[in-house]
Amino acid sequence: GENVEQHPSTLSVQEGDSAVIKCTYSDSASNYFPWYKQELGKRPQLIIDIRSNVGEKKDQRIAVTLNKTAKHFSLHITETQPEDSAVYFCAASIFGTASKLTFGTGTRLQVTL
Amino acid sequence: NAGVTQTPKFQVLKTGQSMTLQCAQDMNHEYMSWYRQDPGMGLRLIHYSVGAGITDQGEVPNGYNVSRSTTEDFPLRLLSAAPSQTSVYFCASGGPGANVLTFGAGSRLTVL
Repeated sequence: GENVEQHPSTLSVQEGDSAVIKCTYSDSASNYFPWYKQELGKRPQLIIDIRSNVGEKKDQRIAVTLNKTAKHFSLHITETQPEDSAVYFCAASIFGTASKLTFGTGTRLQVTL
Repeated sequence: NAGVTQTPKFQVLKTGQSMTLQCAQDMNHEYMSWYRQDPGMGLRLIHYSVGAGITDQGEVPNGYNVSRSTTEDFPLRLLSAAPSQTSVYFCASGGPGANVLTFGAGSRLTVL
């Protein structure tokens, strides 16, 4: 089955700096890569996703890049703000099959003032 | 539109006790699932359902039962609780294509 590795497990950045979280996946059949954000004590929520037919997707301060050849994808957050502090999970699956969604182990991002 | 509703939010059990975590969604989603979240291990799929009357096992199904008699409800049953089942449980549902999951608020279970 699919295996998703996520690094780093914790990340501390100063407000205004950029943050990058990296994930690798093992199953070449995976073609859908969402990112979920979980604030402390809250539920995970989708923040951005990408399909394998594109290499990059942006939404305001967040972007995701995908390298299918190397089987890795990354989340980039620019101009970080305190409200970006949360745990971020990457995931991989075959598009349209949520039962195949495999999550990474999470990155705790702390944005300090 | 409440989304995905889980009850209870907190529960303490003794080893060997049984209980049911309730999950209901009002979005008419066909896909529903249960995950457990443990520190350093991400979200792991326990059981899932692609429609009423259809359930299947995920990555970590042992010790748990599910049923799906209606589109709206997907309860998770712990038959004989063990300390290893201490975790935060999330129910999630997905609409057409089931690519985007909507999670419930979570249920924190402690087994003593």
